[in-house]
Amino acid sequence: AQTVTQSQPEMSVQEAETVTLSCTYDTSENNYYLFWYKQPPSRQMILVIRQEAYKQQNATENRFSVNFQKAAKSFSLKISDSQLGDTAMYFCAFMSAGGGADGLTFGKGTHLIIQP
Amino acid sequence: DAGVIQSPRHEVTEMGQEVTLRCKPISGHNSLFWYRQTMMRGLELLIYFNNNVPIDDSGMPEDRFSAKMPNASFSTLKIQPSEPRDSAVYFCASSSLGNSPLHFGNGTRLTVT
Repeated sequence: AQTVTQSQPEMSVQEAETVTLSCTYDTSENNYYLFWYKQPPSRQMILVIRQEAYKQQNATENRFSVNFQKAAKSFSLKISDSQLGDTAMYFCAFMSAGGGADGLTFGKGTHLIIQP
Repeated sequence: DAGVIQSPRHEVTEMGQEVTLRCKPISGHNSLFWYRQTMMRGLELLIYFNNNVPIDDSGMPEDRFSAKMPNASFSTLKIQPSEPRDSAVYFCASSSLGNSPLHFGNGTRLTVT
């Protein structure tokens, strides 16, 4: 079974700073997908960014980018020019390429606080 | 599209009562997932449907939990009888293909007293 580890339970940075959230995972598979989800206080789960394991290029979505290191099984999320609205729980998630009953395996999350 | 719709948003019930949570997936999505979120255990996959068929319910904690998907546009998660330790946020999610991102509903916060 896959496991996802987020080692930072909570982080706090000043508005406009850059912050990096870490995520490591364990799998014996070669093809898979990785995701970052954001959960604001409204508790809605919002997809932030997605990475296919077969792609070497790191995914980017506006101020959000990832550093995907397949050999190290590391998948960190960088938020540039952080904004107050970025305050939320952030979950790293793994999905097998075959999908199926495993669905998404989530890390325990990192609570990110953006200070004004 | 309205997204994944869950009801109710909040549910408070007494121990021993039956609880039914409802979910309408995004139209055209053929995979549906039920997750439970607690502080202690995080997000746990309870059960997964593909084309209305339950694929794996090994995440369902006990026989008190059951889920159905009678058609492509509706699913239920039932707890009977409910217990205080079932208190959690229950999410429904759907996707169009096995490898597509999951789209989550807003969740149902269940409190069992």
